[in-house]
Amino acid sequence: AQSVTQPDIHITVSEGASLELRCNYSYGATPYLFWYVQSPGQGLQLLLKYFSGDTLVQGIKGFEAEFKRSQSSFNLRKPSVHWSDAAEYFCAVGIIYNTDKLIFGTGTRLQVFP
Amino acid sequence: DVKVTQSSRYLVKRTGEKVFLECVQDMDHENMFWYRQDPGLGLRLIYFSYDVKMKEKGDIPEGYSVSREKKERFSLILESASTNQTSMYLCASSPPQGSTDTQYFGPGTRLTVL
Repeated sequence: AQSVTQPDIHITVSEGASLELRCNYSYGATPYLFWYVQSPGQGLQLLLKYFSGDTLVQGIKGFEAEFKRSQSSFNLRKPSVHWSDAAEYFCAVGIIYNTDKLIFGTGTRLQVFP
Repeated sequence: DVKVTQSSRYLVKRTGEKVFLECVQDMDHENMFWYRQDPGLGLRLIYFSYDVKMKEKGDIPEGYSVSREKKERFSLILESASTNQTSMYLCASSPPQGSTDTQYFGPGTRLTVL
């Protein structure tokens, strides 16, 4: 069965520090992968997506993610975190060939200290 | 810009009431989705629809029903609200199967059932 694991429930970093949020997936075929961000009280906003091609994907707000098939991972990175990046981050795998459903991870809450 | 709107940001209902959550999208998307979001559980799919009057159960459909009479509108119905349905409800829409586009989310409705 398809699944997404985000092993870190809560991460705290200092402003200006680098960030890596982990995501591992389980899916039998080539996955479509997504990272979404949810600011407090808001809906989800797409940060970036991977469908094919270059395994290093650039997104909005200075985020990037790297697809590693051998590790079944799609980790999200940012070289220097800003206080406004404090939010909850969700990784998702797309079951595109079936019904366009997304399977979400349980989320990682990012806290940023000044 | 894709816009997905939800009828209420906050809603308080009593146990046993019939509750309607409305979602409207303005991008002529075929697919629409209802999720509930709970801490530590991420987003779980309740129902989705890939066309007018078409619906399919997601992972947690019990206690819910849906209606899609028009392409732009997808309603989630709680026939008899219970306290365990207190949650954040998120609506999303997307283009049809095979598109490389993704799901766009509304701001969410936080429902409290007393």
